[in-house]
Amino acid sequence: EPEVTQTPSHQVTQMGQEVILRCVPISNHLYFYWYRQILGQKVEFLVSFYNNEISEKSEIFDDQFSVERPDGSNFTLKIRSTKLEDSAMYFCASSGFGYTFGSGTRLTVV
Amino acid sequence: TQLLEQSPQFLSIQEGENLTVYCNSSSVFSSLQWYRQEPGEGPVLLVTVVTGGEVKKLKRLTFQFGDARKDSSLHITAAQPGDTGLYLCAGATGDKIIFGKGTRLHILP
Repeated sequence: EPEVTQTPSHQVTQMGQEVILRCVPISNHLYFYWYRQILGQKVEFLVSFYNNEISEKSEIFDDQFSVERPDGSNFTLKIRSTKLEDSAMYFCASSGFGYTFGSGTRLTVV
Repeated sequence: TQLLEQSPQFLSIQEGENLTVYCNSSSVFSSLQWYRQEPGEGPVLLVTVVTGGEVKKLKRLTFQFGDARKDSSLHITAAQPGDTGLYLCAGATGDKIIFGKGTRLHILP
């Protein structure tokens, strides 16, 4: 069964540093997403991406965040100047007829 | 702000019993999805319901979408310990889905 692959599975970074989270969506899917889940809280929408541009973003997705599809397979989330409160699980998803989520990247900002 | 309220938050029942969990909103969604999430993993899609009043069955799980497309329920018949987990509902709106907080289900052997 096709999978969404996320790397790394864990990332520890110092406050103020930049991180790039990587995702390989399912190849024939057209919509890509990033969600995050702070420990013990619900899964929150960050951004959706279609046809090489952002189609919708949440209030959380401010200038600190950016997304990119640098080639035909990868989809990345960049977080600049990380803060302690950015610590969370970050999930990539893609959709065709249904959503498929990756296993997530656990980001810890220290 | 669109919200999905799931109830109950926690449910612990004996193996073999039946249960129903609910997902409610004041907003209309174009579709509603149910996921199961294991600790440290991403949500895994169980089912998508699209039409108001739609009922879908997945073995012992029955999913229903409300007539007004604002609410949904998940009914499990003869619960088994393998059903233990976090069940999330999510509503499609615009180019995204929004999640409820989930129902954590524990089936006692």
